Amino acid sequence: AQSVTQLGSHVSVSEGALVLLRCNYSSSVPPYLFWYVQYPNQGLQLLLKYTTGATLVKGINGFEAEFKKSETSFHLTKPSAHMSDAAEYFCAVRTGTASKLTFGTGTRLQVTL
Amino acid sequence: EAQVTQNPRYLITVTGKKLTVTCSQNMNHEYMSWYRQDPGLGLRQIYYSMNVEVTDKGDVPEGYKVSRKEKRNFPLILESPSPNQTSLYFCASSTRQGSSYNEQFFGPGTRLTVL
Repeated sequence: AQSVTQLGSHVSVSEGALVLLRCNYSSSVPPYLFWYVQYPNQGLQLLLKYTTGATLVKGINGFEAEFKKSETSFHLTKPSAHMSDAAEYFCAVRTGTASKLTFGTGTRLQVTL
Repeated sequence: EAQVTQNPRYLITVTGKKLTVTCSQNMNHEYMSWYRQDPGLGLRQIYYSMNVEVTDKGDVPEGYKVSRKEKRNFPLILESPSPNQTSLYFCASSTRQGSSYNEQFFGPGTRLTVL
């Protein structure tokens, strides 16, 4: 079975500060990992994904994530937060040929002046 | 424009009154899925469909029905809605590549309130 744990339901950072959103997964087979962002009153938008190959993945809006197999982690980072980054972020995992996407419970990012 | 559309976006109804939420995608995707989003629980899969006439239960299928008569449409049916089905619903679709599935594209959501 696959599962995702997002540490911290709410994260607050100052504008310009580093953003770090944590995601740990559990999977018995090599995972495919995703980060989605949800802006207020909108659907989910794909930020980035890891399937195979390079473990450091770059996404849209300056975000990146690193797949660390030994730590079963896929943390999302951005060097400098912007007010427009305020949103809810979801980590998700899919394994092998399975179609099922399992989501974490989400982390709401607040960016303050 | 490639997109997943849902209708209605907002719906307030009463217990027991049958309703249908429509979902349509214009990307010729094989795979479609319905999720519900509740605070603190993330997104949970209700039903999914791997292709026309092929549907299966997700994690929380009770009280819901789906059909997939056409590739582009995947309606969600609540035969007798109850207050615990008050939630934000998302439809999603993805394409299949060999034995693997690509990332899912999401609709804008339908906020349902059952009184």
